[in-house]
Amino acid sequence: QSVLTQPPSASGTPGQRVSISCSGSSSNIGTNTVSWYQQFPGTAPKLLIYSNNQRPSGVPDRFSGSKSGAAASLAISGLQSEDEAEYYCAVWEDSLNGPYIFGTGTKVTVL
Amino acid sequence: QLLLQESGPGLAKPSETLSLTCAVSGISISGDTYYWGWIRQPPGKGLEWIGTTYYSEGIYSNPSLKSRVTISVDTSKNEFSLRLSSVTAADTAVYYCARLLSGYESSGFFYYFDFWGRGTLVTVSS
Repeated sequence: QSVLTQPPSASGTPGQRVSISCSGSSSNIGTNTVSWYQQFPGTAPKLLIYSNNQRPSGVPDRFSGSKSGAAASLAISGLQSEDEAEYYCAVWEDSLNGPYIFGTGTKVTVL
Repeated sequence: QLLLQESGPGLAKPSETLSLTCAVSGISISGDTYYWGWIRQPPGKGLEWIGTTYYSEGIYSNPSLKSRVTISVDTSKNEFSLRLSSVTAADTAVYYCARLLSGYESSGFFYYFDFWGRGTLVTVSS
């Protein structure tokens, strides 16, 4: 099964910019748009970014997404303590029946 | 406000069938072009998509779960359900239900889960 690879961890001090990569393939990220989810311990994931770079209502503009070829990235600018969470990228595999695959997850720590 | 709420037994025995229901409130489950899905997360691990259904179509399920997954929709109760057969300890996880939006726009095909339930822990143990 296809895998979306993310670094296991990322960190920064308050105010810094942190970037998280998501590496896929031509049959998933290379074909369809990417979404990102934020998850705090013990809670359900929350949609953070959809269609590569769109933010749902209520998501701060310090979160931004981009995609190039078979890879995507999430950037957090002006890092804040409340951004400490797990982040997952996700995409639909390019076949009639999917699957929908999640990245391996990145734990962001605010130092 | 769209709300999803999972319910079902928190314990399942090995080889038995796990059954969960997701009650949807705020919109009609049979309305518009929404898909409904299940995602799970084993303790301390990442997210895994289980399957997705559209009320008038079949289901799309994770090949890794093979033929163990059944997802059904009850429009009269505005809810959808998951049945996972022949469970083992590896199926122990928090199970989430969620709404999947899909379509096409200038940037390409999009698929994302925009509303999630709070999740329910299911433990498989004898």
